[in-house]
Amino acid sequence: GAVVSQHPSWVICKSGTSVKIECRSLDFQATTMFWYRQFPKQSLMLMATSNEGSKATYEQGVEKDKFLINHASLTLSTLTVTSAHPEDSSFYICSARPGTALPGANVLTFGAGSRLTVL
Amino acid sequence: GEDVEQSLFLSVREGDSSVINCTYTDSSSTYLYWYKQEPGAGLQLLTYIFSNMDMKQDQRLTVLLNKKDKHLSLRIADTQTGDSAIYFCAESMERDDKIIFGKGTRLHILP
Repeated sequence: GAVVSQHPSWVICKSGTSVKIECRSLDFQATTMFWYRQFPKQSLMLMATSNEGSKATYEQGVEKDKFLINHASLTLSTLTVTSAHPEDSSFYICSARPGTALPGANVLTFGAGSRLTVL
Repeated sequence: GEDVEQSLFLSVREGDSSVINCTYTDSSSTYLYWYKQEPGAGLQLLTYIFSNMDMKQDQRLTVLLNKKDKHLSLRIADTQTGDSAIYFCAESMERDDKIIFGKGTRLHILP
């Protein structure tokens, strides 16, 4: 089945540093990947839609200069949290839609998530 | 607007059936989904239903959709300890790529 790999699974960094999280589709090509943020006991908040070869589409309220998204290939999207601060600490999850999904069915395969802790 | 609501917590005895409920507001929803999230992990798609269907059954899982009331439910028969997780209801529309998630229902299994 479709597998999405996320790396690192957890990271601790100092305030002010930048952190990059990778999202890879292992056995399928994903022209579109999605980045979510999840706070404790909260739902997933869609941050941005990452499109291969073009600029990401950010949701309202998400700072594009803060959360840099690059989708350089059909199997890799990266999220860079720039100048991270403690309030950026969260669980970040990526997802991708396998191309074999039924038309109209937005069936997503999720990565295992990356827990970021900013000290 | 788009909104998905579900109760935050459900406690069920092992062996009983679990019923997790969800309501949504957008009548143009095309597909409705149930995802499962175990602690510290990503989301796993359990099942999904097209909006013109009333019911879908897959082994221990039964999904019921009442489109008139915009109500979706997930029934897990013979609930096991391995079913302990957070269950997210979600919807998507044909008009865009977005999936809107509820806040998730934490299912706790009692021995």
